[in-house]
Amino acid sequence: DQQVKQNSPSLSVQEGRISILNCDYTNSMFDYFLWYKKYPAEGPTFLISISSIKDKNEDGRFTVFLNKSAKHLSLHIVPSQPGDSAVYFCAASSTGTASKLTFGTGTRLQVTL
Amino acid sequence: GAVVSQHPSRVICKSGTSVKIECRSLDFQATTMFWYRQFPKQSLMLMATSNEGSKATYEQGVEKDKFLINHASLTLSTLTVTSAHPEDSSFYICSARGADSARLSVFGPGTRLTVL
Repeated sequence: DQQVKQNSPSLSVQEGRISILNCDYTNSMFDYFLWYKKYPAEGPTFLISISSIKDKNEDGRFTVFLNKSAKHLSLHIVPSQPGDSAVYFCAASSTGTASKLTFGTGTRLQVTL
Repeated sequence: GAVVSQHPSRVICKSGTSVKIECRSLDFQATTMFWYRQFPKQSLMLMATSNEGSKATYEQGVEKDKFLINHASLTLSTLTVTSAHPEDSSFYICSARGADSARLSVFGPGTRLTVL
């Protein structure tokens, strides 16, 4: 039972353009969402998070949007840079389980020159 | 910022042997540590949650007698894979959360286990 889904396994974007990574969830108890960036053979690095009381959070080139009614969130990266090439995971947690995270399957982003 | 280390970064062992992986919070006290496993091209799957000084809580389907977790201090948790078999080959990642870290935990760099 995959409670957090990233339906696009890969995405290719040209440098300077916007990258949009999508994530859907099924558990209505999730109230905190995070995006992580991961390189091969390394641990995930935290990028940005959003609480369910918000619908948008922005940090530099990264913006996360949350649509609670659709149980959907997205990560926008603009402008995309070659160094952004990595696998991006969305993760979700609920208040009752504190930091216990449920991860999506990941989307591999390739930013081309 | 907060840093979590893991040791070893990679280990190769023979089938039937036991392997211990250490997870350390370097500059903060980790009240809770989490152990994840990632198979190739798959998601990170939570194996267990450990709180300092108490027994770990294992996720459904994870054998507690096979994956022994010890969280004896606020800066160290260990995962021991007992009687390892080739199907245990995976990337094991820990994360740590301090008491004042709200809902954000810091991940270690991971340990690649290969069982021959």
